[in-house]
Amino acid sequence: RKEVEQDPGPFNVPEGATVAFNCTYSNSASQSFFWYRQDCRKEPKLLMSVYSSGNEDGRFTAQLNRASQYISLLIRDSKLSDSATYLCVAAEGQLTFGSGTQLTVLP
Amino acid sequence: ETGVTQTPRHLVMGMTNKKSLKCEQHLGHNAMYWYKQSAKKPLELMFVYSLEERVENNSVPSRFSPECPNSSHLFLHLHTLQPEDSALYLCASSPAGTENTEAFFGQGTRLTVV
Repeated sequence: RKEVEQDPGPFNVPEGATVAFNCTYSNSASQSFFWYRQDCRKEPKLLMSVYSSGNEDGRFTAQLNRASQYISLLIRDSKLSDSATYLCVAAEGQLTFGSGTQLTVLP
Repeated sequence: ETGVTQTPRHLVMGMTNKKSLKCEQHLGHNAMYWYKQSAKKPLELMFVYSLEERVENNSVPSRFSPECPNSSHLFLHLHTLQPEDSALYLCASSPAGTENTEAFFGQGTRLTVV
């Protein structure tokens, strides 16, 4: 069983759409959670941390449900520049990455 | 400019060659990591160094040999690799090796073993 599981997609959405990504993690001892963004043939970069209370950064909202071991990322009013692979990460000492969900925003 | 620099960016090597990947971080971090990213697979943690000491080795074959001479530099020495070792090798650093802080990645070395 994968430790961090994500729908690989691809998600193809029109500009302006709202898109949601989900992620589950198997290690109940995980303490910190992140979403990373990885552009094609580039390195992963931190998009945002995920807190139990939920957090928002502009058009991006992240949620954590510890009871269900579930993390989500919501992107509102998607832009062409949001096209990338989004990696879900759970951390207990070390970071464990999901395989990523590919998003393509279409004009 | 990225705070974590990797060289070379691309490498093609034969199965009998010996090569080294280099990583340098300018962020003042004290933990460094090597990850392997193969197509359609999650990032795989290979090695963790904290304060220049190896603290994690996730059962990586001995044909991969890390070296951390100081907290700013990390090497991955390669010898007698196999074609299935072709992948993107990413170096990362973080402020600490055991706490749950985010990692900052270099641009990676795309390795092809022929």
